[in-house]
Amino acid sequence: EDQVTQSPEALRLQEGESSSLNCSYTVSGLRGLFWYRQDPGKGPEFLFTLYSAGEEKEKERLKATLTKKESFLHITAPKPEDSATYLCAASSRMHYQLIWGAGTKLIIKP
Amino acid sequence: DTGVSQNPRHKITKRGQNVTFRCDPISEHNRLYWYRQTLGQGPEFLTYFQNEAQLEKSRLLSDRFSAERPKGSFSTLEIQRTEQGDSAMYLCASSVRDSTGELFFGEGSRLTVL
Repeated sequence: EDQVTQSPEALRLQEGESSSLNCSYTVSGLRGLFWYRQDPGKGPEFLFTLYSAGEEKEKERLKATLTKKESFLHITAPKPEDSATYLCAASSRMHYQLIWGAGTKLIIKP
Repeated sequence: DTGVSQNPRHKITKRGQNVTFRCDPISEHNRLYWYRQTLGQGPEFLTYFQNEAQLEKSRLLSDRFSAERPKGSFSTLEIQRTEQGDSAMYLCASSVRDSTGELFFGEGSRLTVL
């Protein structure tokens, strides 16, 4: 069964303390791996698409990487405004709709 | 603002009542999706339209749920005979045809069933 698992469930960091979020996937025929950011009471906001192992994407303090089994979202020197829930999703060649993880809630303390 | 618009943002209803949510997608997007999200979980797929055609519907979706996109523009999601378990955030998203997963979400409609 296709599945996406994110860890940790929650992560508390001090401002400036770099870390990584993990997204493990078991998907038949991966078409793409996607990262979204979701603020409380809002819909998810698209961040990155990764298509193949070894690919990396960067945006400000965020960098997403992809291997054959997992993806990482690296956060460098985070600021309080980076606090949000980060969601990972995968698309498969077997069916169209995205398979979503439960998210990692990131809290950056000033 | 040319983003995805959802109405109402909040709806409180009594068990057994019917509710309807509306979604206005980004105008040039021909794909429209409905998701449901509960606290601490990722979005759960409900249904998907390409233009006015409903192409996919989750097997988990009860017969009490129905969605329409009559002219390929806005969409409505109706829940009949609401139950307490229907309490959730209902999210609408849109995308262009060739997008594999870059979805543009609205701010959601939060349903509370008492």
